[in-house]
Amino acid sequence: QVQLQESGPGLVKPSQTLSLTCTVSGGSISSGGYYWSWIRQHPGKGLEWIGYIYYSGSTYYNPSLKSRVTISVDTSKNQFSLKLSSVTAADTAVYYCARGFMRFVGLSAAPDAFDIWGQGTMVTVSS
Amino acid sequence: QSALTQPASVSGSPGQSITISCTGTSSDVGSYNLVSWYQQHPGKAPKLMIYEVSKRPSGVSNRFSGSKSGNTASLTISGLQAEDEADYYCCSYAGSSTFGVVFGGGTKLTVL
Repeated sequence: QVQLQESGPGLVKPSQTLSLTCTVSGGSISSGGYYWSWIRQHPGKGLEWIGYIYYSGSTYYNPSLKSRVTISVDTSKNQFSLKLSSVTAADTAVYYCARGFMRFVGLSAAPDAFDIWGQGTMVTVSS
Repeated sequence: QSALTQPASVSGSPGQSITISCTGTSSDVGSYNLVSWYQQHPGKAPKLMIYEVSKRPSGVSNRFSGSKSGNTASLTISGLQAEDEADYYCCSYAGSSTFGVVFGGGTKLTVL
């Protein structure tokens, strides 16, 4: 079955760029009908959607993070990645990658639900 | 896009039923049947329990059910069991302004 695994540094200095990769195994990231997401959870807090990418490269970001976020996909490696620039302590969180499936709403595809999650990786922003 | 509103906590005794509400707006919950619910145990990744308001993924107990009325979605857990104690999050499509999703703040379920 499809599994997701996050990887990347657990400690990032303020003002630097946080970079994480999610490796997809047991299935192809190029499978249609799915979108590949990043979601984070601040310590003791709720979930926050960061953004997602379709295998074709189309991206959608949370407006509150849009200016600092880049999500990309490497279909040859079956991976997708997150870059969050100019980080501060407020970006300290557990970062999850997740697979979501889509449904058509009218003529447009819309994100439905996240059915497969990675285990999450804690990223601390500190000097 | 603002977070969906959930009660901070609910509780119930084993065997009882509880309901967790999730209130959004006419731009998200009220406009689309793309509401999902997630269960999260401490230190674990969230698990999908309900999607498209009331559908259960394969393997999820039929003790879990979902519904929606207007701008409010609800998750009901019947026959409470100790292992149901967890945090629960709702999520909704936020509409074509962002093509993204918005989560609720989460509800801590305590099984007494």
